[in-house]
Amino acid sequence: DTGVSQNPRHKITKRGQNVTFRCDPISEHNRLYWYRQTLGQGPEFLTYFQNEAQLEKSRLLSDRFSAERPKGSFSTLEIQRTEQGDSAMYLCASSPTGTRGDEQFFGPGTRLTVL
Amino acid sequence: GQQVMQIPQYQHVQEGEDFTTYCNSSTTLSNIQWYKQRPGGHPVFLIQLVKSGEVKKQKRLTFQFGEAKKNSSLHITATQTTDVGTYFCAGQNYGQNFVFGPGTRLSVLP
Repeated sequence: DTGVSQNPRHKITKRGQNVTFRCDPISEHNRLYWYRQTLGQGPEFLTYFQNEAQLEKSRLLSDRFSAERPKGSFSTLEIQRTEQGDSAMYLCASSPTGTRGDEQFFGPGTRLTVL
Repeated sequence: GQQVMQIPQYQHVQEGEDFTTYCNSSTTLSNIQWYKQRPGGHPVFLIQLVKSGEVKKQKRLTFQFGEAKKNSSLHITATQTTDVGTYFCAGQNYGQNFVFGPGTRLSVLP
């Protein structure tokens, strides 16, 4: 399967713990996006990368959230000191270039539950 | 900041009936994309519209981009049970990130 993959698929953690998610985009896709989706809502933009450069980060994103894409391939999203409000589906998407809105290919997501 | 709204929030139709969802942006868009998300699944790209007034068709699906590039619509003719899911529009404002609408959830009764 050469689609976008995300790990883990599910994560249950206690409030205050740190969690890290991984996204492997489609090979050779330059742009990688992170979104958060809660029940009944559309995906909410968190951040995106063009190769290894993080080009934009949502102003709504707490400083507890950090993302990396060290070699321009896979990416990680870390949430420090998790809160119950962080419970959501975290989606990763990749696109070939991102120029003028290339199609985004979404992964299956990581469902985070904070107890 | 940019906001994208969609109506209706929910739509229940009988199989064979038509369905339309509307998307409105608070700002002018450079392009708009439409995605479908099946229950328990992830968003899947349907189409992108770029030009003012553009109309595109995919079998029973017709997509329109408004003249002012601030609104869009998706129309499904003769719905089928396979059309069940949530339809999202996502607007991009000239190189900035995509803003997704809240989606329209479609139920099709057989």
